[in-house]
Amino acid sequence: GAVVSQHPSRVICKSGTSVKIECRSLDFQATTMFWYRQFPKKSLMLMATSNEGSKATYEQGVEKDKFLINHASLTLSTLTVTSAHPEDSSFYICSARVDRGWVQETQYFGPGTRLLVL
Amino acid sequence: AQTVTQSQPEMSVQEAETVTLSCTYDTSESDYYLFWYKQPPSRQMILVIRQEAYKQQNATENRFSVNFQKAAKSFSLKISDSQLGDAAMYFCAYRNYGGSQGNLIFGKGTKLSVKP
Repeated sequence: GAVVSQHPSRVICKSGTSVKIECRSLDFQATTMFWYRQFPKKSLMLMATSNEGSKATYEQGVEKDKFLINHASLTLSTLTVTSAHPEDSSFYICSARVDRGWVQETQYFGPGTRLLVL
Repeated sequence: AQTVTQSQPEMSVQEAETVTLSCTYDTSESDYYLFWYKQPPSRQMILVIRQEAYKQQNATENRFSVNFQKAAKSFSLKISDSQLGDAAMYFCAYRNYGGSQGNLIFGKGTKLSVKP
């Protein structure tokens, strides 16, 4: 199957700093990328959807000025958590999918990034 | 809006036995996809199996098979010959067919334990 990588796998930062998480599709070009947040023992919560070259679409309740998403190319999307606070500590997962016209292919997931804000 | 319900927060199975995980969903659409994803302790989401709603035949992948009942909006996962490596969280997911904004809708998950 297709491979999606994330970097870093875990990061610890001080409150008030910004953190960037990278998501790459390694062996395919992703038309659409997704960012999820997962709390312990909970399901995945979609934060935003992005298409290459266009602005991300954020889910209701997600602050777009706090969680900056850049989908610069068909193989790279970044999530920047700006002015991070302890409540932003969580597990962040990216996902990538190829859309061929009206048909959507399977969605593949990265290994996730654990963020701890002190 | 579409919803996905997994009514079993936790399940347990003996190694080499068979277990079935339940999933129901609600939608007014006729064309859609259904998925089962596995999330082991590493937390890497892994696609287990995928079903297109227009296909009457149940999808199978080696020891994994589904029982897709479209009229009942039910999509259960059967794991045969369970192995220790099957222990994980299993998420059922729904996605509309077509369009650029079809997002996965996840259930709350079922934690599967496999006893040796």
